[in-house]
Amino acid sequence: NAGVTQTPKFQVLKTGQSMTLQCAQDMNHEYMSWYRQDPGMGLRLIHYSVGAGITDQGEVPNGYNVSRSTTEDFPLRLLSAAPSQTSVYFCASSLGQVNQPQHFGDGTRLSIL
Amino acid sequence: AQSVAQPEDQVNVAEGNPLTVKCTYSVSGNPYLFWYVQYPNRGLQFLLKYITGDNLVKGSYGFEAEFNKSQTSFHLKKPSALVSDSALYFCAVRDPNFNKFYFGSGTKLNVKP
Repeated sequence: NAGVTQTPKFQVLKTGQSMTLQCAQDMNHEYMSWYRQDPGMGLRLIHYSVGAGITDQGEVPNGYNVSRSTTEDFPLRLLSAAPSQTSVYFCASSLGQVNQPQHFGDGTRLSIL
Repeated sequence: AQSVAQPEDQVNVAEGNPLTVKCTYSVSGNPYLFWYVQYPNRGLQFLLKYITGDNLVKGSYGFEAEFNKSQTSFHLKKPSALVSDSALYFCAVRDPNFNKFYFGSGTKLNVKP
């Protein structure tokens, strides 16, 4: 059972570069989301999606884009990387019902130089 | 708006002793509350969720959580701590209106032999 798969696991970028963090789930979950985790700040929601073709912003969306063309995939794009975007990024998915928990990938550790 | 707070950055407990990790919440309407655990370099793993009507919820790995409506708390408990329980614990609430999850800042649990 793959669950939620994130690639790459590690990445180093230079300021101004762009890249896409990949996220795929094989549980047919409607809901998917992206978080960033920074020391002492818990998880902050970047973007989320309640189904294919539907996305919305979270708490900290600036500098990031998302799309949801299929149920399985939810890529996160950094448009022009900045050192403030150095973080650990987690993708999660869940069924749509409000009493359902999220399933998390193992994260992408991103450093912006 | 929905929110959760974890007042303790760190909890230290001796192996074999009971442990409590605190969480308070602020929600409008019914609370949809969750506990997750994170081990180093891993994603979050679901431990348990609040089920309406049950003041004591049992979850994975011997953990349970006590829901108290009057104190708006959902504290994580375990009768006898193990060294392997040492990890980062997150409380979360799901907002049914906007279908977003909100996480606390996390509590690091240290269980000493």
